[in-house]
Amino acid sequence: TQLLEQSPQFLSIQEGENLTVYCNSSSVFSSLQWYRQEPGEGPVLLVTVVTGGEVKKLKRLTFQFGDARKDSSLHITAAQPGDTGLYLCAGGSQGGKLIFGQGTELSVKP
Amino acid sequence: NAGVMQNPRHLVRRRGQEARLRCSPMKGHSHVYWYRQLPEEGLKFMVYLQKENIIDESGMPKERFSAEFPKEGPSILRIQQVVRGDSAAYFCASSREAGNTIYFGEGSWLTVV
Repeated sequence: TQLLEQSPQFLSIQEGENLTVYCNSSSVFSSLQWYRQEPGEGPVLLVTVVTGGEVKKLKRLTFQFGDARKDSSLHITAAQPGDTGLYLCAGGSQGGKLIFGQGTELSVKP
Repeated sequence: NAGVMQNPRHLVRRRGQEARLRCSPMKGHSHVYWYRQLPEEGLKFMVYLQKENIIDESGMPKERFSAEFPKEGPSILRIQQVVRGDSAAYFCASSREAGNTIYFGEGSWLTVV
């Protein structure tokens, strides 16, 4: 059974601080996707990484896929209150379905 | 460029009734996935369908739950004889091909009273 461990589960920081969210597994995934979910809404795709060691930047967000394609990280620089939300990592399998981590609830206080 | 469309967005059912949730995938997508999100829990895979075929139903409860994706029309997730524990957000997602990026709908919130 493929599992994704996401940490931390909760994170409360002040505006302007940096943070990193981790997503780890003992399994290899064909891809790793990061989503952000607002209350009452569906997950919105932020990025997909498919190559081991790949790094993608999206403004203040930096995503990295581990060399062995078993782990990933999301780093946010100079967090803003608008970054508040639930961040989800999800591993893709060749079979098509996504395996989700438990999510990281981020709160950025002004 | 419509995204994944789900309806109803909110549904209230009494215990023992049936709930039907509908999902129209993004244009050009023939792979549909259903996920359930219970309060304070993550997204759990339920079922993966391609047109007229169930590819993977390993996450579906053995009883009362069924899913279909007919040749014409939306995918349907059907829950018979609902119980309070079925109260959750049900998300549909679609992709163009297996292994491609998956896009989610806004979700259907089921409340069983």
